[in-house]
Amino acid sequence: DIQVTQSPSSLSASLGDTVTITCRASQDISNYLTWYQQRPGKVPRLLIYAASSLQSGVPSRFSGSGSGTDFTLTISSLQPEDSATYYCQQAYSLPLTFGQGTRLEIK
Amino acid sequence: EVQLVESGGGLVQPGGSLRLSCAASGFTFSAHFMDWVRQAPGKGLEWVGRVRDSRNTYTTEYAASVRGRFTISRDDSKNSLYLQMNSLKTEDTAVYYCVRPYYYGSGSHYFYFDYWGQGTLVTVSS
Repeated sequence: DIQVTQSPSSLSASLGDTVTITCRASQDISNYLTWYQQRPGKVPRLLIYAASSLQSGVPSRFSGSGSGTDFTLTISSLQPEDSATYYCQQAYSLPLTFGQGTRLEIK
Repeated sequence: EVQLVESGGGLVQPGGSLRLSCAASGFTFSAHFMDWVRQAPGKGLEWVGRVRDSRNTYTTEYAASVRGRFTISRDDSKNSLYLQMNSLKTEDTAVYYCVRPYYYGSGSHYFYFDYWGQGTLVTVSS
């Protein structure tokens, strides 16, 4: 199985800041990586697929990059509604696996 | 509008069984693979399994943690997805989401989960 490790597990940032979340796969997954946002009490929401493709309707301050084993999600100009837990997920092979999540707090 | 509505969750004793259902609407259900994903209270997301469509002979895949105990099935005539859970363990306690993988290209890798149900809570406890 492909392991997916996210870091950090939590972070705190201020309005307007830029933050980066990292996801590392245990083997080469090309660009088959997806990012989801889950606000408290809500269902996960698709942000980015194929490592860097922004889902329709998602603000452009969200961006993704990476290939192979190392990937990043960058959120710029942080807004209050960005307070959420972020998950990466590899789509390279079954069983599908998610990172453990990164909880983002907006100060 | 795409909708996925789960039902069937509840409290069950360890070793017991439960059947979850997911009613789909707003899209051609029969043309899509369907997955289940779960989330234990306060924890992260865990993929449970998948059922493919009729063109792929409704084959199924499971996470190792549920293989042999859980069975995913579908009824395309009713636009419904099911998760039969047997020999339940306390660690199966979670919100179970019905999820649609959307394929944006040819090949098994080119998908993402675009629609999620609201989830149904399963609690395994004595």
